[in-house]
Amino acid sequence: SQKIEQNSEALNIQEGKTATLTCNYTNYSPAYLQWYRQDPGRGPVFLLLIRENEKEKRKERLKVTFDTTLKQSLFHITASQPADSATYLCALSSGGYQKVTFGTGTKLQVIP
Amino acid sequence: EAGVAQSPRYKIIEKRQSVAFWCNPISGHATLYWYQQILGQGPKLLIQFQNNGVVDDSQLPKDRFSAERLKGVDSTLKIQPAKLEDSAVYLCASSPGFQETQYFGPGTRLLVL
Repeated sequence: SQKIEQNSEALNIQEGKTATLTCNYTNYSPAYLQWYRQDPGRGPVFLLLIRENEKEKRKERLKVTFDTTLKQSLFHITASQPADSATYLCALSSGGYQKVTFGTGTKLQVIP
Repeated sequence: EAGVAQSPRYKIIEKRQSVAFWCNPISGHATLYWYQQILGQGPKLLIQFQNNGVVDDSQLPKDRFSAERLKGVDSTLKIQPAKLEDSAVYLCASSPGFQETQYFGPGTRLLVL
């Protein structure tokens, strides 16, 4: 069956360092992958989308890589700040009319 | 631009009671989604509408859950009767079309006692 795995353990990093979150998938051929941020008590907020034919995407301090051979996406936040503390969700879709499936999310805590 | 609106924000009911949630998507968005998010998990799609037609409801427990989107705008999700395991946050999202960014509402937190 299709499976999306994100590190269920919280990631704690020091302010100013680069945070790297991982999203692995199996039995899936995603056409695109998205990353969302979710704060407590709120709905997810879209951050970045990367398509299967793209290796890397950047937006300000955010960078996403997509390796369809390794079946893995890495999400990087450079120069992290306490305000970056949140849960980060990856979401995959096979495209067309196929639904988007979310991972369980990784909680990031940036320590001042 | 107004975001996705949901109501109520919180609801506490007894098991076997019924409950309904309401969602107003962003104006002009053709696609509307209902997700269930249990604590510590990612959102799980319950049903997806394109305008007022159902595209995917494969994970909707149809013996107790129902949803409709009249006139392709607002949508309601109903649970009847509720079970303890239905305690979760119910998120509504909308997007201009398929394969596009989803915009989420704040969610309705449901507690079934």
